[in-house]
Amino acid sequence: EAGVVQSPRYKIIEKKQPVAFWCNPISGHNTLYWYLQNLGQGPELLIRYENEEAVDDSQLPKDRFSAERLKGVDSTLKIQPAELGDSAVYLCASSLESGRGEQYFGPGTRLTVT
Amino acid sequence: GNSVTQMEGPVTLSEEAFLTINCTYTATGYPSLFWYVQYPGEGLQLLLKATKADDKGSNKGFEATYRKETTSFHLEKGSVQVSDSAVYFCALTSNAGKSTFGDGTTLTVKP
Repeated sequence: EAGVVQSPRYKIIEKKQPVAFWCNPISGHNTLYWYLQNLGQGPELLIRYENEEAVDDSQLPKDRFSAERLKGVDSTLKIQPAELGDSAVYLCASSLESGRGEQYFGPGTRLTVT
Repeated sequence: GNSVTQMEGPVTLSEEAFLTINCTYTATGYPSLFWYVQYPGEGLQLLLKATKADDKGSNKGFEATYRKETTSFHLEKGSVQVSDSAVYFCALTSNAGKSTFGDGTTLTVKP
């Protein structure tokens, strides 16, 4: 089966510009996650969706970050405006259901803000 | 909140050496525990998991046992190969579905 697809793989933008990341989860996976991974650190959850509902967005910086998951399938994460400190890898993952199951990760989008 | 603490790296071993990467956690209730591996240029992928106390997860020669009494989930392999070179992440998922990851341990295996 196809894995989690993310695009773009790499993005370089200037600060104060907007940027968007797209994720297509594994077919049939109800739960979708967006993580931020800084160099040398583990993934940190930004937002978790159950179908179309954002059930955990407590770590999402809502002043500049937004996300949506239309129709409970694909998802988009947006940053506007980007800051230098947003440079990181943005990971998308999906799982069959929330709770105790394993997550399947995409390859990530490496964002560089100059 | 929940937390995961991993053995700091990097770890460098010769081929066929024994590997241990320590992982301890803090969590309420009974979380599920995971080891994920990230090869260069790729996303994280599940290596093994355990969902209750005393469970042993195993895959590709790697093993880890869920120790509730010591809140640990140490990763072991009896004989590492060059192809095992990667970054290893210990993680937990709480009963509420919230996941917490360690900072990763970089393993380099030399021939």
